[in-house]
Amino acid sequence: GDSVTQMEGPVTLSEEAFLTINCTYTATGYPSLFWYVQYPGEGLQLLLKATKADDKGSNKGFEATYRKETTSFHLEKGSVQVSDSAVYFCALEPGGTSYGKLTFGQGTILTVHP
Amino acid sequence: GAGVSQSPRYKVAKRGQDVALRCDPISGHVSLFWYQQALGQGPEFLTYFQNEAQLDKSGLPSDRFFAERPEGSVSTLKIQRTQQEDSAVYLCASSSSGGNTEAFFGQGTRLTVV
Repeated sequence: GDSVTQMEGPVTLSEEAFLTINCTYTATGYPSLFWYVQYPGEGLQLLLKATKADDKGSNKGFEATYRKETTSFHLEKGSVQVSDSAVYFCALEPGGTSYGKLTFGQGTILTVHP
Repeated sequence: GAGVSQSPRYKVAKRGQDVALRCDPISGHVSLFWYQQALGQGPEFLTYFQNEAQLDKSGLPSDRFFAERPEGSVSTLKIQRTQQEDSAVYLCASSSSGGNTEAFFGQGTRLTVV
């Protein structure tokens, strides 16, 4: 079945550092790929998405590129802020006829220090 | 309402007790999902509704779990004879239609079975 694997956390960075959170997936067909973020005390929010190979999703300075050849969707940000501290989840939605069912990775806790 | 609302936010149940968790989706959203999130893990799919029809219940872990959405709006997830392994955060999400549309998540209900 479909699966998503994220890099083990937690990740601790200083403000303005470069961030990479690795995500790889296993799926049949051509899934859509997502990054969701969960800030403390809040629900999951969509951060960015990509629906086909070589697409780049971007939002709030975060980027991720859909790499079919390496089955990856790594999240990057050039300069993190304290306010980026949260839990980040990589997820996929199956391709083809899909109603939006998501398969999530285990999540990566990011803490950014001033 | 402005977002997906879940109640209660926290529930402590004695082992063997029945519980009911409520989800109020965003008004007009056709699709509704329930996910289970164990501590330190990503959400796992439980079930999906399109309006009042339950089209996928493949993720329900046992016949003690039951979900309904009788009028195509509010949904209830019921767990009978709760067991300790049912302790988790139960997330509800809704979206305006099917695949490739953003799913909006509630803050979840944290269930603790003692």
